[in-house]
Amino acid sequence: AQKITQTQPGMFVQEKEAVTLDCTYDTSDPSYGLFWYKQPSSGEMIFLIYQGSYDQQNATEGRYSLNFQKARKSANLVISASQLGDSAMYFCAMCFSGGYNKLIFGAGTRLAVHP
Amino acid sequence: DTAVSQTPKYLVTQMGNDKSIKCEQNLGHDTMYWYKQDSKKFLKIMFSYNNKELIINETVPNRFSPKSPDKAHLNLHINSLELGDSAVYFCASTRGLHNSPLHFGNGTRLTVT
Repeated sequence: AQKITQTQPGMFVQEKEAVTLDCTYDTSDPSYGLFWYKQPSSGEMIFLIYQGSYDQQNATEGRYSLNFQKARKSANLVISASQLGDSAMYFCAMCFSGGYNKLIFGAGTRLAVHP
Repeated sequence: DTAVSQTPKYLVTQMGNDKSIKCEQNLGHDTMYWYKQDSKKFLKIMFSYNNKELIINETVPNRFSPKSPDKAHLNLHINSLELGDSAVYFCASTRGLHNSPLHFGNGTRLTVT
């Protein structure tokens, strides 16, 4: 069965510093996708970044990068140069082939950026 | 130009009532979903439709019934509401059936008293 684990319920970081949010996953499917979403206090779910299991390079989107370590089954999100507006819940999610793009979510990490 | 829109944003109702949540997407996507986010912020899929056909039906009480009149709309009807149904319900859509990011609506906060 597929599973996503986020072990950090809460994290804090100083403004302008980088922070890594951890995500590990478990699947026996060779083809899968990994996603990160941001949920600010206003409640909407914002897609940040995607990594495919066959992608050779780590995904990057602006200040977001995904540290994909396939052998360790980890897909950590790195946010560089943190901003106050980055304070939010962050969810790691996975889909797998044959799953009709069903996303399985981790429990989330609440990030607080301090000035 | 809202991509995935849900109505209502807030819904407060009493136990035993029947209510509906509507969802529309203007992205031209083929697949739509309903997710439930509980009080601990955990997100769990409930249903998915692809081109009006039900493709995912997780273990959800049959008091919950999705309906997709066309591929741009997916509504959720809930009968005989219970206190435990209180949650935020998210509609989402995507193009294709594999490795595509989901685009979420802003959620409907349902409170059952």
